[in-house]
Amino acid sequence: DAKTTQPPSMDCAEGRAANLPCNHSTISGNEYVYWYRQIHSQGPQYIIHGLKNNETNEMASLIITEDRKSSTLILPHATLRDTAVYYCIVTNSGAGSYQLTFGKGTKLSVIP
Amino acid sequence: ETGVTQTPRHLVMGMTNKKSLKCEQHLGHNAMYWYKQSAKKPLELMFVYNFKEQTENNSVPSRFSPECPNSSHLFLHLHTLQPEDSALYLCASSLGTEWGLVYFGEGSWLTVV
Repeated sequence: DAKTTQPPSMDCAEGRAANLPCNHSTISGNEYVYWYRQIHSQGPQYIIHGLKNNETNEMASLIITEDRKSSTLILPHATLRDTAVYYCIVTNSGAGSYQLTFGKGTKLSVIP
Repeated sequence: ETGVTQTPRHLVMGMTNKKSLKCEQHLGHNAMYWYKQSAKKPLELMFVYNFKEQTENNSVPSRFSPECPNSSHLFLHLHTLQPEDSALYLCASSLGTEWGLVYFGEGSWLTVV
């Protein structure tokens, strides 16, 4: 699986958009970008994933650059409950992959 | 509620004890996983089961013994653990057609004394 690079921590004011960057310059053509988050003392939670196109769901938006070497997770209106560690993971989601490899992620603190 | 249930949520055991962690998923998934999360370290994948067959064992010491009787249940049997094995143990599951979409349980906090 390709390696990802994320800033260790970020702050965001409550109600503002949180933009979390991720670099994955060695991503290959069949690898997807997945985002998970882990609220303190809980299991990780899936947020969103994409291959080439930008994606949006009820939780967040995912913007992937045209060369696919980086992406940004956007939480449009951050709340205090969005304080968590956010993980960007690149993986081949096809058969035989079997595993997600978590890095250290970005610790997002939403400030009142 | 993620559909993946782990018990117990908290466990304290001595180094000579034998205990087990249990995981059950109600999602109809075929793959199940054990992850370990130690303080200030990334999640580490321990074991992977696909249709009850173990497909991954990431160099985990034999004092950790997994068991997967069917696609819905996964156990982690613990014996003669060390204090450094104290950690959050997370169970997860996924559907074989989309391995990246993984559902995690709340975890079992293990303290070895």
